[in-house]
Amino acid sequence: KQEVTQIPAALSVPEGENLVLNCSFTDSAIYNLQWFRQDPGKGLTSLLLIQSSQREQTSGRLNASLDKSSGRSTLYIAASQPGDSATYLCAVSMDSNYQLIWGAGTKLIIKP
Amino acid sequence: SQTIHQWPATLVQPVGSPLSLECTVEGTSNPNLYWYRQAAGRGLQLLFYSVGIGQISSEVPQNLSASRPQDRQFILSSKKLLLSDSGFYLCAGGRTYEQYFGPGTRLTVT
Repeated sequence: KQEVTQIPAALSVPEGENLVLNCSFTDSAIYNLQWFRQDPGKGLTSLLLIQSSQREQTSGRLNASLDKSSGRSTLYIAASQPGDSATYLCAVSMDSNYQLIWGAGTKLIIKP
Repeated sequence: SQTIHQWPATLVQPVGSPLSLECTVEGTSNPNLYWYRQAAGRGLQLLFYSVGIGQISSEVPQNLSASRPQDRQFILSSKKLLLSDSGFYLCAGGRTYEQYFGPGTRLTVT
């Protein structure tokens, strides 16, 4: 059974720092991996989707990498800003039925 | 792009009362639709998903049910709410692996 883990559960860093969020999964036979952002009391917004054949995806200050063989993905945020404060969740898809298996998220706080 | 509409934003209901949460999709046809529940500090738990009208799959046994009476309408229901049904409910939809989420409903059962 696939399990997705995100460590740390919470992270607080000063504004301007570069940071890395981690996501690990137990079964490497994934279809793809997605990173989402959730603001308090709100729905989720998709940030990046990495297909199983890809190594990384970039969007603005965000870069997500995928190492299937080791069961890991990282989300790199460059030059962090207070507006980046949110909970970041990763999710993997195992097959073509489009269901996602979720990590518990990392709550990120960027201090001005 | 797709937009997921979900209401109400918050709901306080007594134990034993019925529940109906509605979700509608705009901007696409024949989407896969999902109902999730999120407990505080936890990941999302998939409750139901649907690949078409009248087709509902349940992931976990529970006090809830779902229906899809129209292509872009997904309803989460309960006949009698339990205290344990409290939580943050999210509707999502999409044609492929990308899922678009509604704003969520905070349900408190008292």
